[in-house]
Amino acid sequence: DVKVTQSSRYLVKRTGEKVFLECVQDMDHENMFWYRQDPGLGLRLIYFSYDVKMKEKGDIPEGYSVSREKKERFSLILESASTNQTSMYLCASSLWSSNQPQHFGDGTRLSIL
Amino acid sequence: QQQVKQSPQSLIVQKGGISIINCAYENTAFDYFPWYQQFPGKGPALLIAIRPDVSEKKEGRFTISFNKSAKQFSLHIMDSQPGDSATYFCAASILNTGFQKLVFGTGTRLLVSP
Repeated sequence: DVKVTQSSRYLVKRTGEKVFLECVQDMDHENMFWYRQDPGLGLRLIYFSYDVKMKEKGDIPEGYSVSREKKERFSLILESASTNQTSMYLCASSLWSSNQPQHFGDGTRLSIL
Repeated sequence: QQQVKQSPQSLIVQKGGISIINCAYENTAFDYFPWYQQFPGKGPALLIAIRPDVSEKKEGRFTISFNKSAKQFSLHIMDSQPGDSATYFCAASILNTGFQKLVFGTGTRLLVSP
């Protein structure tokens, strides 16, 4: 069965810290995505990757970076966390195909104090 | 032009009733329209999807109706059940060669009362 695992369900960090969110998929998917989910705003794409070491900006990349050193792992990095980055972060993966669904992890709820 | 507008924000339906959620888009280049279902504490999961070359797609109790000229599409849940209580997101995408860059609506929280 398809599985996307996010390393933490809940995370509390302080303003200015460098924060790493990790995502691992076990389906040999080429594509991986990072979204943030906020009430009233839905899901917004931060970054995605279609291959190892490849990355593309999504709709809200400011304040974030990503790393994909291995096919199964996609990391989201908050270079200097700010309170407005408090949110639910969702990772997803999909096959390299235009009509394949994205499979989501259960999310990391990140609080920046 | 990249927005997908979704309504209502929340919906309460009695068991056995029909739930209807509506979405509208501006970008006529969108050519793939999925609906995702999200239960509390879980990530979204694909429920059903439609391409604009058809006006309706049905899978069990779930139907997407698509109106290309009006740039609108909707999800109908027939015979709604308490187990359907979840948040529903519509989305739209321009299908690229190997991936979907989805633009999501703001979500509808559905509660089906017993």
